[in-house]
Amino acid sequence: GALVYQYPRRTICKSGTSMRMECQAVGFQATSVAWYRQSPQKTFELIALSTVNSAIKYEQNFTQEKFPISHPNLSFSSMTVLNAYLEDRGLYLCGASPGLPYQDTQYFGPGTRLLVL
Amino acid sequence: GDSVTQTEGLVTVTEGLPVMLNCTYQTAYSDVAFFWYVQYLNEAPKLLLRSSTDNKRTEHQGFHATLHKSSSSFHLQKSSVQLSDSALYYCALSDPGGSWQLIFGSGTQLTVMP
Repeated sequence: GALVYQYPRRTICKSGTSMRMECQAVGFQATSVAWYRQSPQKTFELIALSTVNSAIKYEQNFTQEKFPISHPNLSFSSMTVLNAYLEDRGLYLCGASPGLPYQDTQYFGPGTRLLVL
Repeated sequence: GDSVTQTEGLVTVTEGLPVMLNCTYQTAYSDVAFFWYVQYLNEAPKLLLRSSTDNKRTEHQGFHATLHKSSSSFHLQKSSVQLSDSALYYCALSDPGGSWQLIFGSGTQLTVMP
């Protein structure tokens, strides 16, 4: 079956430091990977959409300078939260898809929960 | 742009009774896929249902939903809820307009009481 793993599951970082999280797809080729943040209030925000061999598209309010993403192959993606502050806390979800636009299911990883002190 | 509306933030139902969670949407596209995701406490969302066919009932794990383009709705229903159905439910859509990201509704917390 299709599975998505995320590492670490939970992390705490000091304000102003950076934190890298990883997403790994197993059982399918993750042509596209979307990174979301779920706030403590449970709302979702799309951070960016990454497709292998294409430019990464960031949503408004999110930038590559703050959330650099790497998607080097069809099974792996990583995102770093640079200079994390309190407003960056939340559950970061990776949603990976085999890639046909809107026709394929997005499989979610368990998320990386980020706490900022 | 596209939007998904879930009007109920919290729904409480007694075990064994039916439930309907509302989902309406706005989109400029005709070719759109719709989803219901369920999120249990401290877990990531999991796909419950998906549909892109008008007036076709989709079922999974006792839940069902029918896409009605005439009323722009994709309500989630279950005829007899169980305690284990208590979770956060998200309605979402994905359109072909260049980027296919999921657009989520605000979510409905379903609490099933014994």
